[in-house]
Order: sequence, then C-alpha cells, then structure tokens
Amino acid sequence: DAGVIQSPRHEVTEMGQEVTLRCKPISGHNSLFWYRQTMMRGLELLIYFNNNVPIDDSGMPEDRFSAKMPNASFSTLKIQPSEPRDSAVYFCASSFDRSYEQYFGPGTRLTVT
Amino acid sequence: GDSVTQMEGPVTLSEEACLTINCTYTATGYPSLFWYVQYPGEGLQLLLKATKADDKGSNKGFEATYRKETTSFHLEKGSVQVSDSAVYFCALSGYGGSQGNLIFGKGTKLSVKP
Repeated sequence: DAGVIQSPRHEVTEMGQEVTLRCKPISGHNSLFWYRQTMMRGLELLIYFNNNVPIDDSGMPEDRFSAKMPNASFSTLKIQPSEPRDSAVYFCASSFDRSYEQYFGPGTRLTVT
Repeated sequence: GDSVTQMEGPVTLSEEACLTINCTYTATGYPSLFWYVQYPGEGLQLLLKATKADDKGSNKGFEATYRKETTSFHLEKGSVQVSDSAVYFCALSGYGGSQGNLIFGKGTKLSVKP
C-alpha cells in the first residue's frame, strides 16, 4: 500500500516567493496533519483536518501560512510570501481517526534564501 | 495542558549495550502513548504504542510499559545495533480538550557505534 505522499521532496526558493507543498494521505484515513520540524523548535503541529475540515490551526505561525483540503485525498500548505525563517522540513501525516496513530510522509525540505 | 518530557540527547552507545530513553507525561484523562522513530532523512515511523495503563508495547526488540502511577513510558532495548541509530520521539494522544492530535517530546538522538 502506498503511504503518505508528499511533493516536492525538496524546494529551494527566494524570499518573497510563494511556496506550495502538497500531500496525499493514505486512502481511507480521515484525519490529516501538517507539521514543521526545525533544529531549534523541534516538531511543531501547524494544523490538522478531520473529514476535510480544519479543526485546529492554532499552530499556524502567521497569516502568510494557509492550508486547504479540498477533498479526502489531497491537501496543500501554502506560504506566501516566504521568508528565510520558514526554512524547515514540513511533514504531512494522516490517521484513520483523530485519536489513532499517525503515519508520516517523507517530508518536504524547504530552503528559502 | 498536556505535555511530554523526554531525556535530552544525544545518547551514544556501543553495539549490544542496553538502552533506556526516559519519557514522562502530563495529561488529563487517559491518553494513548507512542514511541516514534525517525531515521536520517526520513519521516517519523510508529515504533510502538500502548493505549491503557500497564499495557506493554513492543516492536523490533524495543519495549515500553504504560505506567500510570509514575506517568512514564520509558523506551528500552536489551541490545542495540548500529541500525538503531536514529531520533526517538515519545508522544501522547490528546484526550478531552486536546483530543485529535499527538503531542511530541523534543526527541532523543541515539548513536550506536560498532
């Protein structure tokens, strides 16, 4: 079975540009999570969806970040405009239900210069 | 609010040494507890879990027991291998007000030398 799929795996962009990260959860999972991982702050939950509806976005750092889940098989995390401090690895994870174990994708390594 | 505290690393061991990574938690209600492992350049993978007090999770030679009286979920392995080198994260599944997401510790980096 395919796991969680993320694209791109690596993204290098210049400050001020728009960045879109993509995630395809495991089929049949109804919860989706976006995380950010940095050396300084560790693993941070940005937002999670249940049945395509955003439940908690309190971890989204600021208005430059937005996330959508238009259907059960696709989600995006957008940063506009991007800044160097957004450089991190962004993970998407999905689970069968909110309280079940989460399955992580391989991550997108974002570098903003 | 709910939180997880795990021992700071890095931890460096020789092959075949015993491993213990401490994890304690603060939570309301009865959370589920997890250990995740992250190998270099990869995402997190579920290593083991326990859903109620006194449950023991085990996988790949690793074990952890859900101790409600000490609010702990320490990870143990009797004989580590070089291939166990990774970052290990303790986590709990929120209950009640924080239900719906995992709360992670900061991670403990393990390096095993041959």
